[in-house]
Amino acid sequence: GNSVTQMEGPVTLSEEAFLTINCTYTATGYPSLFWYVQYPGEGLQLLLKATKADDKGSNKGFEATYRKETTSFHLEKGSVQVSDSAVYFCALRGGATNKLIFGTGTLLAVQP
Amino acid sequence: NAGVMQNPRHLVRRRGQEARLRCSPMKGHSHVYWYRQLPEEGLKFMVYLQKENIIDESGMPKERFSAEFPKEGPSILRIQQVVRGDSAAYFCASSPTAVAGEAEAFFGQGTRLTVV
Repeated sequence: GNSVTQMEGPVTLSEEAFLTINCTYTATGYPSLFWYVQYPGEGLQLLLKATKADDKGSNKGFEATYRKETTSFHLEKGSVQVSDSAVYFCALRGGATNKLIFGTGTLLAVQP
Repeated sequence: NAGVMQNPRHLVRRRGQEARLRCSPMKGHSHVYWYRQLPEEGLKFMVYLQKENIIDESGMPKERFSAEFPKEGPSILRIQQVVRGDSAAYFCASSPTAVAGEAEAFFGQGTRLTVV
């Protein structure tokens, strides 16, 4: 079945450092891919998405490119801020019932 | 347009009691998902419902758990005879359509269930 694998956290960075959070997926067909962010005590918010191969999703300085050849959707940001500290979830939507499934999440901690 | 509303935000139940978690989707959304988030773990899919129908319940435990999304009113996740292992955050999400896979799901703030 469909699945998502994320790099394990926590990821600890200094402010203004470059961020990469790896995400790979296994899916039949052509799923849509998403990154969600969860701030402490809150629900998930959509950060960005891509619906077909080679699409690049971007928002708030974050970006991710849908790579079908490597089945990846890595999240990147050129210069992180303390306010980016949160848990980041990679997700895909597809399959027979089109359900949305998530990776295990990666905790990002940005230090001043 | 209010977002996805979940209530209660916090729920405490004694072992053996029943827990009822409610989710009102965004206006115009007819698809609802329930997820469970255990401490230090990711989001685990539980069930996917459309109005009056269960589309996918492959993530639901076989016993004690049930979900419904009636024609009128919120979606309900019901846990009977709760045990300590049921303590978790339960999140609901809604989307306007399942046919278009790119439609994003909007999440509620979750219900944090504590079983004592």
